[in-house]
Amino acid sequence: AQRVTQPEKLLSVFKGAPVELKCNYSYSGSPELFWYVQYSRQRLQLLLRHISRESIKGFTADLNKGETSFHLKKPFAQEEDSAMYYCALSGLSGNTPLVFGKGTRLSVIA
Amino acid sequence: NAGVTQTPKFQVLKTGQSMTLQCAQDMNHNSMYWYRQDPGMGLRLIYYSASEGTTDKGEVPNGYNVSRLNKREFSLRLESAAPSQTSVYFCASGDEKLFFGSGTQLSVL
Repeated sequence: AQRVTQPEKLLSVFKGAPVELKCNYSYSGSPELFWYVQYSRQRLQLLLRHISRESIKGFTADLNKGETSFHLKKPFAQEEDSAMYYCALSGLSGNTPLVFGKGTRLSVIA
Repeated sequence: NAGVTQTPKFQVLKTGQSMTLQCAQDMNHNSMYWYRQDPGMGLRLIYYSASEGTTDKGEVPNGYNVSRLNKREFSLRLESAAPSQTSVYFCASGDEKLFFGSGTQLSVL
């Protein structure tokens, strides 16, 4: 069964400090990992996916299969990064629906 | 291009009442989903439809039914609403990455 664990409900950091939002997963097959973000009063939207290996808004995430982790990182937090972040998992074969973690609320303090 | 459109945005029901949440997408996606979002629980999958004509249960299907009316539309029905179904409901569509609707805030009294 698929499972996504985000151990922190709330993470508060000061502006300019590094950010790391943790995500661990459990999946028997080949996983595809995503980070979705929900800003205040906006729709949930894709931030990044591991197969794209891209950096969006300064965020990066590396899939570590040995540690079954997909932590989201940013070297210098900005106030506009304050939002709810969800890690999500599906199978690379495309046959499994997207399963979300419980989310981490990031608060960037000025 | 509207993306994913959900109606209604807000709804208050009494226990035992029924209602249908509507969802439509104009991106020609095969897959559509219904999630509920509760504080501290994240998004939990209720039902999904991998293609027109098919539907499958997700993590929390009890108390809900769905209909994939055509490729564009995927509705969620509560036959007899219960207070435990008070939540924010999101429809999504997508074959690789998901696009979400704006959500329906449902209160069951």
